[in-house]
Amino acid sequence: DAGVIQSPRHEVTEMGQEVTLRCKPISGHDYLFWYRQTMMRGLELLIYFNNNVPIDDSGMPEDRFSAKMPNASFSTLKIQPSEPRDSAVYFCASSPLVNEKLFFGSGTQLSVL
Amino acid sequence: QKEVEQDPGPLSVPEGAIVSLNCTYSNSAFQYFMWYRQYSRKGPELLMYTYSSGNKEDGRFTAQVDKSSKYISLFIRDSQPSDSATYLCAITGGGNKLTFGTGTQLKVEL
Repeated sequence: DAGVIQSPRHEVTEMGQEVTLRCKPISGHDYLFWYRQTMMRGLELLIYFNNNVPIDDSGMPEDRFSAKMPNASFSTLKIQPSEPRDSAVYFCASSPLVNEKLFFGSGTQLSVL
Repeated sequence: QKEVEQDPGPLSVPEGAIVSLNCTYSNSAFQYFMWYRQYSRKGPELLMYTYSSGNKEDGRFTAQVDKSSKYISLFIRDSQPSDSATYLCAITGGGNKLTFGTGTQLKVEL
């Protein structure tokens, strides 16, 4: 298996623009997570899905952030409108079972100018 | 107070040294403890997983949990340059909602 695949690897955009990050989890994994990593705050859980259903979105910072999982092999994280403080590395991770280890993608480095 | 505290480092040691990395936590409900390793420009990968107090050993790595003190440690014996990475502790009370430390950056010098 190729592991968790994220795209794009890097995204540079201007304040106010819409940003869409994409993730393909490992096949057969029922759980999908979106994390954000910054130097100041470390890794923060934004939202996670179980069998394509959002279970906990309490980490989503504002209404500007939204996430979808239309099927078991694809998820998106959208920021609209983007702001400079959204600049961070966004990771997608998947897991086969509850309490099982997370498999992380290589992340998307987002820079909002 | 953060739920999980971790010294960010950086920590620099010579090759062959024993490394000690630590985290403290505040919530006594936490019962699953993990260490993830993150290389530069990569996602974290699970290194060690334990759910009880005491020690767990895997090769050169030993994870230690002291629930009474709310303190967890990762020891690396005979450290190698390839161990240079950021090490993150992760803790949960159950379910998949992990709380991560901010990570300790380790550099092992030749």
